Amino acid sequence: SQQGEEDPQALSIQEGENATMNCSYKTSINNLQWYRQNSGRGLVHLILIRSNEREKHSGRLRVTLDTSKKSSSLLITASRAADTASYFCATEQNQAGTALIFGKGTTLSVSS
Amino acid sequence: KAGVTQTPRYLIKTRGQQVTLSCSPISGHRSVSWYQQTPGQGLQFLFEYFSETQRNKGNFPGRFSGRQFSNSRSEMNVSTLELGDSALYLCASKGDRVRYNEQFFGPGTRLTVL
Repeated sequence: SQQGEEDPQALSIQEGENATMNCSYKTSINNLQWYRQNSGRGLVHLILIRSNEREKHSGRLRVTLDTSKKSSSLLITASRAADTASYFCATEQNQAGTALIFGKGTTLSVSS
Repeated sequence: KAGVTQTPRYLIKTRGQQVTLSCSPISGHRSVSWYQQTPGQGLQFLFEYFSETQRNKGNFPGRFSGRQFSNSRSEMNVSTLELGDSALYLCASKGDRVRYNEQFFGPGTRLTVL
């Protein structure tokens, strides 16, 4: 079953605007990761934030994590048409192995 | 370094048949995980192999099985295919000594069951 939900399910913006996606999860986690998927292809890892971190930056990406609310957000600044994709959050729970539990994803459409 | 490769990329089978999918991880990676992606259920974890041993298993019926070879290549088998098994099957590999638990995904095998 899904660990959590992304919000919104779909987002349409213009190039240059910022895009914010939210993710909620249900159980204790080791870390939370964000992945991008273009048109049903493989997933590309974007950024990982550990459970003891609150904010992380990577280029135009900013991720926050609130473990008390069991939620995370991904901000993409100055969006480009090439950012059009589906974005998934994934959590790694406190158990052996490295199973990722994915949310249902946010479909981002950036128009020029 | 070559990425994760999966073969075949596309596959069409009929109900009742069985299928074997293959995944070659990034060189040096010993962990290989398999995921199923469908429009209805999204991305779901199937199982993970590490050093030829299944280390973790998702909530899938016994028709779904896997194995890993000494060179870390992994295969996934689905027996007695059902229409609902139509999906994109993704494998991912992970290194042992990376600082992050990042998983590297292959392009997937798209399985269609008729």
